Order: sequence, then structure tokens, then C-alpha cells
Amino acid sequence: GENVEQHPSTLSVQEGDSAVIKCTYSDSASNYFPWYKQELGKRPQLIIDIRSNVGEKKDQRIAVTLNKTAKHFSLHITETQPEDSAVYFCAASISAGGGNKLTFGTGTQLKVEL
Amino acid sequence: GAVVSQHPSRVICKSGTSVKIECRSLDFQATTMFWYRQFPKQSLMLMATSNEGSKATYEQGVEKDKFLINHASLTLSTLTVTSAHPEDSSFYICSALGGNSPLHFGNGTRLTVT
Repeated sequence: GENVEQHPSTLSVQEGDSAVIKCTYSDSASNYFPWYKQELGKRPQLIIDIRSNVGEKKDQRIAVTLNKTAKHFSLHITETQPEDSAVYFCAASISAGGGNKLTFGTGTQLKVEL
Repeated sequence: GAVVSQHPSRVICKSGTSVKIECRSLDFQATTMFWYRQFPKQSLMLMATSNEGSKATYEQGVEKDKFLINHASLTLSTLTVTSAHPEDSSFYICSALGGNSPLHFGNGTRLTVT
């Protein structure tokens, strides 16, 4: 089955700096890669996703890059703010729908310090 | 946007009793629902996948007789933790898929078994 690894497990940045979280996956058939933000005790919230036919996607301060050859994808947050502090999970699946399950990374605790 | 409602949000029960958790898709038909378990500071671990009208598919290591899943309609799936023990205390989250829409999560249920 799919295996998703995520690094780092914790990340501390100064407000205004950029944060980068990296994930690798094992199944070359995976073609959908969402990123979730989870605040303590709350549901994961989808913040951005990318499909394998795209190498990069950006939404305001958040961007995701995908390297299918190397089987890794990254989340980039620019101009970080205290409210960005949360746990971020990457995930991979064979498709966005059709009942295929997501395999999650182990999570990154991001702390944005003033 | 699509909403997934999960109930209850928090439950405390005595060891040996059973607890039922409901997951409802409020504005779309969920052909597939997923149940996850999340221990503190850990990632979401998929427990089982349920498709409407058929038996759930359980992940390796998850006891199907202990975690009963019913997906009787396109908008409702239930997870029953039978004969709960303190080690079953965790955060249980459901998610739902409909067509090709991204995965939507419920708010989660904090189960504490005393």
C-alpha cells in the first residue's frame, strides 16, 4: 500500500518568515495530494490540493509543488502569521473521488512566533 | 460548501459499555465514508472504509467485531465501539466522499473510556 512520510515533525518560524513542509510517497499510481491544517481538537481543514498533471499550485500565501519523478511534494507558506500555527498533514491517494482512501503523513506541528 | 456533521462531539463512558458515533453528510450524497482514529499528537489513522449498502472494509489491525460500522444510507454512517476499554479512548473522525469532490471531515468525537 501507499506510504507517506512527512518532515519535519515540528517547525518553528518567526512571523513573516516562510515555512516549508515536505512529503514523500511510495505509490507511483497516486495522483492526488491534498494538504490539511488541523487545530487542536478540531477537524482537519483542506487548505490546498494538487493533482499529478500539475507541478505547482498557488493560493495567496500557500503554494504546493509536486515532483512526480522523485515522488515528493511540498507545502510552502509565505509571510507566516500566528494564526498559521497548527498541525499540517499531507496526504496522497490514487484519485480524489471514486472511494479511494487517503494515506496521511505523520504531521508537522508549525509554530509561528512573534 | 459540503458539510459533514458528526455526533456526539464528546462522550465519556464506562469500561465495557458501547458507544455509537454518527456521521452525516448534510448537503451531498456520500457514496463512501471513512472512519479515522487519532491519538494525541499523532496522525489520522484510517480504521475502515464504508460504502453505502455494503460491508465496511477494515484496515489491518482494526477489529471489525469491536468497531461496528453501518452505512445504511447515502447520508449516514455509524461507528459503534463495542465493549469499550480505556485504550479505546481517542479522537474519532469521519469523512465523506461524494462524486469527485474533495474529502470532507466531520468535527470529530472525543471518546473517553473510564
